[in-house]
Amino acid sequence: GQSLEQPSEVTAVEGAIVQINCTYQTSGFYGLSWYQQHDGGAPTFLSYNALDGLEETGRFSSFLSRSDSYGYLLLQELQMKDSASYFCALGSTGGGNKLTFGTGTQLKVEL
Amino acid sequence: DAMVIQNPRYQVTQFGKPVTLSCSQTLNHNVMYWYQQKSSQAPKLLFHYYDKDFNNEADTPDNFQSRRPNTSFCFLDIRSPGLGDAAMYLCATSSRGQAHEQYFGPGTRLTVT
Repeated sequence: GQSLEQPSEVTAVEGAIVQINCTYQTSGFYGLSWYQQHDGGAPTFLSYNALDGLEETGRFSSFLSRSDSYGYLLLQELQMKDSASYFCALGSTGGGNKLTFGTGTQLKVEL
Repeated sequence: DAMVIQNPRYQVTQFGKPVTLSCSQTLNHNVMYWYQQKSSQAPKLLFHYYDKDFNNEADTPDNFQSRRPNTSFCFLDIRSPGLGDAAMYLCATSSRGQAHEQYFGPGTRLTVT
């Protein structure tokens, strides 16, 4: 099976940079995804790392290190609207067309 | 705009009374998923279809069934809802080989009385 652990809550101020970590255990996977979910809303795809290293998409970047079983989502120039839950998710090589989601991190952006 | 639509957005049912939730998509994606999400938890995959092939998760209760009559539509049937089945039910789609990027519908909030 697979398991992914994230901090339950992170707080940061508007304009700052915040990093949300994800550590995982798996017997094999093809990549790490990140999703954002506002309260009462649906998860929205943010970023994907198939390879080690950094992927940048606007204010959001995601990083993967397979050797460390670790990834993170980096949010820059934080805005109030970034307050949401963030989930990492693994697609396993033995699992077909599906993802296993991490425990989720609630990000609170303060003034 | 291409999208994933779920109806109804809110559903109230009685304990033990069968209920059906629906999902449709205009993305023409091969894969459709049903997730259950409870408050402050991650989405939990119940099952998914790859085209017509049904894939059930090992820990999905028998009380949950699904149908996919065509590419565009997928249904979640809860045969005898219990109080523990109250949750948000999310439908998602992805194209072949692109499970890392799933498109979610707005969800159906199920209340069991």
